[in-house]
Amino acid sequence: SQTIHQWPATLVQPVGSPLSLECTVEGTSNPNLYWYRQAAGRGLQLLFYSVGIGQISSEVPQNLSASRPQDRQFILSSKKLLLSDSGFYLCAWSLTDYSNEQFFGPGTRLTVL
Amino acid sequence: DAKTTQPTSMDCAEGRAANLPCNHSTISGNEYVYWYRQIHSQGPQYIIHGLKNNETNEMASLIITEDRKSSTLILPHATLRDTAVYYCIVRVYGQNFVFGPGTRLSVLP
Repeated sequence: SQTIHQWPATLVQPVGSPLSLECTVEGTSNPNLYWYRQAAGRGLQLLFYSVGIGQISSEVPQNLSASRPQDRQFILSSKKLLLSDSGFYLCAWSLTDYSNEQFFGPGTRLTVL
Repeated sequence: DAKTTQPTSMDCAEGRAANLPCNHSTISGNEYVYWYRQIHSQGPQYIIHGLKNNETNEMASLIITEDRKSSTLILPHATLRDTAVYYCIVRVYGQNFVFGPGTRLSVLP
């Protein structure tokens, strides 16, 4: 069976510090991978998605970046965090663009102070 | 540019049916209706989807009006564990999902 992992589960970082969130998927090959952010009381905002190693599509311009160094690894990064980067970050995977279901990880709650 | 409109919140008594409405008056012919839910501090979970016909699975039923401008998700016997935010999404097959604010359903004992 497939599983998706995210770490850390929670993170408190000062403004201006760097960020690295990691997501890994087990039990499937060549998945589509997604990073979402959810601000308090809001819906999910798609940040990045990837259909393969090294292929990243950005949905929203911002100070975040994503990388996919391995087939089942997706990393969200920032060089300098802003207060507005606080939120709940969710990684998800699907088999293809045409999948009806995306499978979400447990999320990382980021607080920028 | 939300494609769906949902009530902000709803309450439902435990054991009763929960009927969650969704308006999608500008839906196009190749857009499907999807429902996901998000239990507090977890990632969203797929529930059901449909195009024109009503659909049912082990979790819920989806009723789509004949003109496809609205739909209703039905949880036939709501339990406390069904308390969550429910997202109604319209999506062209193959495109990314767009999650709006959803409906916060509270199942009350």
